[in-house]
Amino acid sequence: GQQLNQSPQSMFIQEGEDVSMNCTSSSIFNTWLWYKQDPGEGPVLLIALYKAGELTSNGRLTAQFGITRKDSFLNISASIPSDVGIYFCAGQLNDMRFGAGTRLTVKP
Amino acid sequence: DTEVTQTPKHLVMGMTNKKSLKCEQHMGHRAMYWYKQKAKKPPELMFVYSYEKLSINESVPSRFSPECPNSSLLNLHLHALQPEDSALYLCASSHDRTPPLHFGNGTRLTVT
Repeated sequence: GQQLNQSPQSMFIQEGEDVSMNCTSSSIFNTWLWYKQDPGEGPVLLIALYKAGELTSNGRLTAQFGITRKDSFLNISASIPSDVGIYFCAGQLNDMRFGAGTRLTVKP
Repeated sequence: DTEVTQTPKHLVMGMTNKKSLKCEQHMGHRAMYWYKQKAKKPPELMFVYSYEKLSINESVPSRFSPECPNSSLLNLHLHALQPEDSALYLCASSHDRTPPLHFGNGTRLTVT
């Protein structure tokens, strides 16, 4: 099946530090997406990637669609307290599947 | 504010009750989805509707019955649920079945 392996599972960082998380799969995907979910809310789209090798930024966030179409990473630069939350990667082939999530804690 | 609206926000129901979850979007999207999310887990796909027709049912038990009355509305009818069905139920929509999916804030369901 379309299993996504997301790492790390959790991160505890100091405000101002950079963050990196990634997703890998044994299957290829046509699209990679990154979502953030805050408690009591639905996932919110951060970045969508549609082409192998694509590198896209959204403010302090940067994500890349791996050349093999089997992986993607998300970087957050200069973290701030409101970056706290759970970050999910998602891959789309016939339908969309989520990674297990990275729980980010930012200490002021 | 999300453009996908789900009601109710919270629902508590007994195992013999019948209730419905509702989802609405006015973005002109033609694909709508139900996902189930347990605590500290990722969302899991339940159903996909495309142009008001059910196109994916991820082997969901029949006590969950989806309905798409029109392209803007998606319902999930619940009957004879079990306590383990307690979860956050998320609705999402997309243009055709192409990403990205836009999610509502979910209905927090508790089955007692």
